[in-house]
Amino acid sequence: AQSVAQPEDQVNVAEGNPLTVKCTYSVSGNPYLFWYVQYPNRGLQFLLKYITGDNLVKGSYGFEAEFNKSQTSFHLKKPSALVSDSALYFCAVRGPSSNSGNTPLVFGKGTRLSVIA
Amino acid sequence: GAGVSQSPRYKVAKRGQDVALRCDPISGHVSLFWYQQALGQGPEFLTYFQNEAQLDKSGLPSDRFFAERPEGSVSTLKIQRTQQEDSAVYLCASSFGQGGGGGYTFGSGTRLTVV
Repeated sequence: AQSVAQPEDQVNVAEGNPLTVKCTYSVSGNPYLFWYVQYPNRGLQFLLKYITGDNLVKGSYGFEAEFNKSQTSFHLKKPSALVSDSALYFCAVRGPSSNSGNTPLVFGKGTRLSVIA
Repeated sequence: GAGVSQSPRYKVAKRGQDVALRCDPISGHVSLFWYQQALGQGPEFLTYFQNEAQLDKSGLPSDRFFAERPEGSVSTLKIQRTQQEDSAVYLCASSFGQGGGGGYTFGSGTRLTVV
């Protein structure tokens, strides 16, 4: 079974400092990994994904994530945090598609990021 | 449409009442997913459609939950005899393909409160 762990419920960082939001995963086969962001009373917005290729993936709003197969991690990073980055961040994983079609994304419980001015 | 549209945006139901939640996916998107997000939690998978076929309903919590997508576009999630534990945000998502590489586009959700 697929699973995602986000070990931190809350991450606080000062504006301008680098930020990291941690994610580890468990899946059979090669993983498809995603990060989504959720602002209050809004749906989830796609940030970036790793499917194959370069382990460092760049996404929206200056975010990036590094796929580490040996550590089964996919941590989200940004070199310089903005107050507007404050939101709820979800890591998600999907295994390879089966003969019955798409396999659903499995989400972590989320990490609340607070960027302090 | 330009995005995934869900209605109503908010729904308050009395315990025991039936509710129907609507999802209008992006035109041409083959895959459609329903998720339930309880307060302070990540989204939990409910069910998945590929066109009109419901290929996975393993996440539906009880037989009070029913979903359909009769023409392969709009989908409805129905909850019968609502209970307080059904209170959550119900998210719909769609994706173009049926393979594993595509991300989902989510709607803004329907917040259901059962009183």
